[in-house]
Amino acid sequence: KAGVTQTPRYLIKTRGQQVTLSCSPISGHRSVSWYQQTPGQGLQFLFEYFSETQRNKGNFPGRFSGRQFSNSRSEMNVSTLELGDSALYLCASSAEGDPIYGYTFGSGTRLTVV
Amino acid sequence: AQSVTQLDSHVSVSEGTPVLLRCNYSSSYSPSLFWYVQHPNKGLQLLLKYTSAATLVKGINGFEAEFKKSETSFHLTKPSAHMSDAAEYFCVVSVPTNSGYALNFGKGTSLLVTP
Repeated sequence: KAGVTQTPRYLIKTRGQQVTLSCSPISGHRSVSWYQQTPGQGLQFLFEYFSETQRNKGNFPGRFSGRQFSNSRSEMNVSTLELGDSALYLCASSAEGDPIYGYTFGSGTRLTVV
Repeated sequence: AQSVTQLDSHVSVSEGTPVLLRCNYSSSYSPSLFWYVQHPNKGLQLLLKYTSAATLVKGINGFEAEFKKSETSFHLTKPSAHMSDAAEYFCVVSVPTNSGYALNFGKGTSLLVTP
């Protein structure tokens, strides 16, 4: 079956702009989680969506938001971009968001803010 | 709080020799633990997971890990390294939240395999 698809693969944005990233989970999976990966902070949890509802949220400012659609596809939005938002953003797909089922990651979107 | 500590930021081995990547966890209960691998400019690939079943977990590509509660460890091993194993490896613990789970990642171990 198809894996987790993240689009776009690469983005270059200017400070102050906003950006939207997309994640299509594995068919039938209802949980989508987002993670930020930077050299300094490593991999950090942003939030999780389950059946169109945000179920968990990490310690990121309100500029980071997301949503999930009825087909489980999820989008992540970052407003008023800062240089420090440059990172690889990964999404993880899970059947129920329970560790028993495991998590499958996409290839990520690499965001560069200039 | 549940967390993992990867004891080595870099490990270098020769091709054909054993691999040992060390991970200790901190948890107030029996955790769910994972090892993921990340090749350059790629996403994360699951190697194996432990979710309270057998303590010796076999994964893909010849990797395995043993959950040792007495030592709070979950070290990753492979009998014989291949050049293609060179990558970043992450030990991960699943953390329950108010209404689900989040993953806490270790800082990663970069594995270098020399010919």
